[in-house]
Amino acid sequence: GAGVSQSPSNKVTEKGKDVELRCDPISGHTALYWYRQSLGQGLEFLIYFQGNSAPDKSGLPSDRFSAERTGGSVSTLTIQRTQQEDSAVYLCASSFSTAQFFGPGTRLTVL
Amino acid sequence: AQSVTQLDSQVPVFEEAPVELRCNYSSSVSVYLFWYVQYPNQGLQLLLKYLSGSTLVKGINGFEAEFNKSQTSFHLRKPSVHISDTAEYFCAVSDRGRDDKIIFGKGTRLHILP
Repeated sequence: GAGVSQSPSNKVTEKGKDVELRCDPISGHTALYWYRQSLGQGLEFLIYFQGNSAPDKSGLPSDRFSAERTGGSVSTLTIQRTQQEDSAVYLCASSFSTAQFFGPGTRLTVL
Repeated sequence: AQSVTQLDSQVPVFEEAPVELRCNYSSSVSVYLFWYVQYPNQGLQLLLKYLSGSTLVKGINGFEAEFNKSQTSFHLRKPSVHISDTAEYFCAVSDRGRDDKIIFGKGTRLHILP
């Protein structure tokens, strides 16, 4: 596709449920990033994939959060046992050499 | 380690007035610098970037930024703002020469007053 796509665009879930968020990066982009943006907050870095290297998971807030990137392309961010404080917009971005291109985000609401 | 500081969380400006959004960074190596904009209810898009060469970088919508190595700054400016510039602006930095992760500032919300 022409840009980074994310699905679903909106997700409402109950506290304690698991959720999976998907990111389709721009074809050929070797780097993929996940961020979280809460209301009134900046961009919180979560995890970074670069080619075949081990991902940089230093931003994941707890062990309930995990992400994988299959075949160097699509990525899935999984949040287990969701909590209300997980409610936010989750943004994915990809890049090849310099600037990142962002997807539209997934708005997660945990009731 | 890299870091980005945007000193102003909100900046109110009258329409047609000039604006400067401040950004300072810290890094132990040479850097690439970026400004992104997020309009209300939209995703982030690249406004401009500094990779090398001229320290004055021009971006979309009449914005420009100047890289000042001695002051480790990359302030964003526009000589005359419009209502349509209402948005959140994010400064970001990454290590030069590596496809390394980009670190973002916390953002500055630009309010255009009529």
